[in-house]
Amino acid sequence: QVTLRESGPALVKPTQTLTLTCTFSGFSLSTSGMCVSWIRQPPGKALEWLALIDWDDDKYYSTSLKTRLTISKDTSKNQVVLTMTNMDPVDTATYYCARTYGPKKTRFDPWGQGTLVTVSS
Amino acid sequence: EIVLTQSPATLSLSPGERATLSCRASQSVSSYLAWYQQKPGQAPRLLIYDASNRATGIPARFSGSGSGTDFTLTISSLEPEDFAVYYCQQRSNWPPAYTFGQGTKLEIK
Repeated sequence: QVTLRESGPALVKPTQTLTLTCTFSGFSLSTSGMCVSWIRQPPGKALEWLALIDWDDDKYYSTSLKTRLTISKDTSKNQVVLTMTNMDPVDTATYYCARTYGPKKTRFDPWGQGTLVTVSS
Repeated sequence: EIVLTQSPATLSLSPGERATLSCRASQSVSSYLAWYQQKPGQAPRLLIYDASNRATGIPARFSGSGSGTDFTLTISSLEPEDFAVYYCQQRSNWPPAYTFGQGTKLEIK
């Protein structure tokens, strides 16, 4: 069974750096074709893809946020870490990690339960 | 960036009725389109991938169709648990990038 779980601070102050960890089980990020993505959802709004890291350590970022994002992996710990710099109240959202896989990496399945991050002073 | 436009924004139907949800892409996405269901307080759940393939464990009443720029999610006969928000999502060819539609809320009439 594949599971993912996000962890990190519930509250960050404006201008701070957010660090989120995705801990997963049921698959290995060293297996060819496996990837993990981060996606966020502001309260009451739509989903927004942020970043993806693949088994070969290739990294891809949302064009609009790439200057603020860094994604990394620790294969031995089955973890993927996302950092987002210069946090702003508009970054308040539930942050999800999800497995991405398949020959074309077209889908997210499954998702973690999500972690709500509030940006406020 | 490819924009996905979902319609309608809200769909009001009764259990047992047929639901048809639309997703239109601003340029061709081939068949790289997925559909998700999200219930309040829950993470999205994959329903359909690559336009027409049901994900594992998804009931047969859910079906997807389309290619290029126009896609449809059909729920043949609504069950009470189907009332939720539905999102479409696409993957751009290169570099890999993903966008979601703004969602369709399926509500009980």
